[in-house]
Amino acid sequence: QSVLTQPPSASGTPGQRVSISCSGDSSNIGSNSVSWYQQLPGTAPKLVIYKSNQRPSGVPARFSGSKSGNSASLTISGLQSEDEAVYFCAAWDDSLIGFMLFGGGTKLTVL
Amino acid sequence: QITLKESGPTVVKPTQTLTLTCSFSGFPLNSNPEGVGWIRQSPGKALEWLALIYWDDDKRYSPSLKSRLSITKDTSKNQVVLTMANMLPVDTGTYYCAHGGLAGPYGDRVNWFFDLWGRGTLVTVSS
Repeated sequence: QSVLTQPPSASGTPGQRVSISCSGDSSNIGSNSVSWYQQLPGTAPKLVIYKSNQRPSGVPARFSGSKSGNSASLTISGLQSEDEAVYFCAAWDDSLIGFMLFGGGTKLTVL
Repeated sequence: QITLKESGPTVVKPTQTLTLTCSFSGFPLNSNPEGVGWIRQSPGKALEWLALIYWDDDKRYSPSLKSRLSITKDTSKNQVVLTMANMLPVDTGTYYCAHGGLAGPYGDRVNWFFDLWGRGTLVTVSS
């Protein structure tokens, strides 16, 4: 089964720009859109990016997403302390009749 | 306003079958394009997608768990039920249901995302 690879950790200081990568292959990220989820401690995940680069209403504009080839990125510009969380990427895989994959998660620390 | 809430046993014994119910409101699951999915998370671990049921009763399952899973819907009750057979201690974790959103053209069965999640229910597998 395919996997989506994320770095286990990332960090930045308030006001900085931080990017989190998500690497897959041609059967998932290379073919389909990517979504990103933020999980604060003890809470359910929250959608922050869908269709690779679209923000749901209510998500601050400092969150942005991009996709190129078999990889995707979540970028947070103007990092704030409340952005400290675990971030997961997700994409569907076209293998078999289709299934969804999540990345392993990246713990973002605001220093 | 869309809401989802998971319910079911908090403890199951090894080899038993787990039955979880997702009770939702704010959308008609029999309308195109709507879907409800299940995702789980072992303590301190990553999210793992389990299954998705579409408005027309089409279903998708995780390939690694397909033989153990079943997802059904009851639109009259606004409920989606997930059953998982032969539960093992490694299946311990928080189980979430979530509302599916379509990121592709109508009829697309991939390119779905989860825009709203329930709070989750913790299931422990122990004798």
